[in-house]
Amino acid sequence: AQSVTQLGSHVSVSEGALVLLRCNYSSSVPPYLFWYVQYPNQGLQLLLKYTTGATLVKGINGFEAEFKKSETSFHLTKPSAHMSDAAEYFCAVSVGLGGKLIFGQGTELSVKP
Amino acid sequence: AAGVIQSPRHLIKEKRETATLKCYPIPRHDTVYWYQQGPGQDPQFLISFYEKMQSDKGSIPDRFSAQQFSDYHSELNMSSLELGDSALYFCASSAGKEETQYFGPGTRLLVL
Repeated sequence: AQSVTQLGSHVSVSEGALVLLRCNYSSSVPPYLFWYVQYPNQGLQLLLKYTTGATLVKGINGFEAEFKKSETSFHLTKPSAHMSDAAEYFCAVSVGLGGKLIFGQGTELSVKP
Repeated sequence: AAGVIQSPRHLIKEKRETATLKCYPIPRHDTVYWYQQGPGQDPQFLISFYEKMQSDKGSIPDRFSAQQFSDYHSELNMSSLELGDSALYFCASSAGKEETQYFGPGTRLLVL
């Protein structure tokens, strides 16, 4: 069975600092992995995804993530945080192509001026 | 670009009432997913449809039912509402068996 664990329910960084949000997954088959962002009272917006091929994937708003099979990880990073990055971030794994998404518990990112 | 449309955006119901949530997928998307997000929780998969047929089922209560219509829009029907049904309900759509799901803005349901 697939599952996702996000380490840290809340992460706080200073503006301009590195953002690192951790995600580990468990999957019995090659996973499809996603990061979504949710701003207050809004829906889920896709940041980036890994399906096959290059293990370093770049997304919107300067975010990127690296798929590491040996570590079963898919951590999200951004070199320099902006105030506008403050939001809830969800890592998710897809159960097969076109299958349901299983989400992690979410990480709330705060950005201090 | 057109996005997933959900209606209504907000809904207030009393216990034991019924509610119908609607989802209009992105044009040419034939797969619809429903998720429930409780307060402070991660989204939980409820049910999905592909080409108007149920394709997968998650932790959806028997009091809930859903269907996808010929124009690919979907409706989630919720009966005998309970306080615990208060949540944000998301619909997502994708094209065929594509891996990316695009989410709507959600319907916030409050059961009093």
